[in-house]
Amino acid sequence: AQKVTQAQTEISVVEKEDVTLDCVYETRDTTYYLFWYKQPPSGELVFLIRRNSFDEQNEISGRYSWNFQKSTSSFNFTITASQVVDSAVYFCALSDNTDKLIFGTGTRLQVFP
Amino acid sequence: EPEVTQTPSHQVTQMGQEVILRCVPISNHLYFYWYRQILGQKVEFLVSFYNNEISEKSEIFDDQFSVERPDGSNFTLKIRSTKLEDSAMYFCASSVQQGGYGYTFGSGTRLTVV
Repeated sequence: AQKVTQAQTEISVVEKEDVTLDCVYETRDTTYYLFWYKQPPSGELVFLIRRNSFDEQNEISGRYSWNFQKSTSSFNFTITASQVVDSAVYFCALSDNTDKLIFGTGTRLQVFP
Repeated sequence: EPEVTQTPSHQVTQMGQEVILRCVPISNHLYFYWYRQILGQKVEFLVSFYNNEISEKSEIFDDQFSVERPDGSNFTLKIRSTKLEDSAMYFCASSVQQGGYGYTFGSGTRLTVV
């Protein structure tokens, strides 16, 4: 069965600190997709990244970077030089060949000025 | 940028009443979904819909729930007789093809059952 684990329930940092959000997944499929979403206090789900299982290249987008390691079934997300606007709940999700998204329980990130 | 539109943004209904949540997916998308998020909890899959029929549904999606694409643009979720535990944020999503490509969520409808 597919599963996504986000062990960090809540993280607090001070602005400009770097922070890494962990995501560990389980699936028996060889083809799957991993996602990160941001949920700000307003409640919507903001898409951050989609990565397929065949592409293990790390990705950087501005202050955001993602580290995908199939060997450890992890897809971690790092925010460099965090800002107050980064405060939100972040969800990691997995999609297999059935196309539904399986979400983790989320990590609440609080960035203090 | 194309959006998935959900209406209303917030709905309050009395227990036992029927409620219909509406979604307008992105126009060239072919796969449609509903998800639910109880306050403070994770987002849970309810149902996927393709080619005018349900592709998959979760155990949450019991006989009280139904989905419909009544015309070429709307995608609706109906809860026949609401219960207090149906109070949640309901998200509609659509994608252009399998594999999660272009998977886009709407901004959600907050349903409060009183």
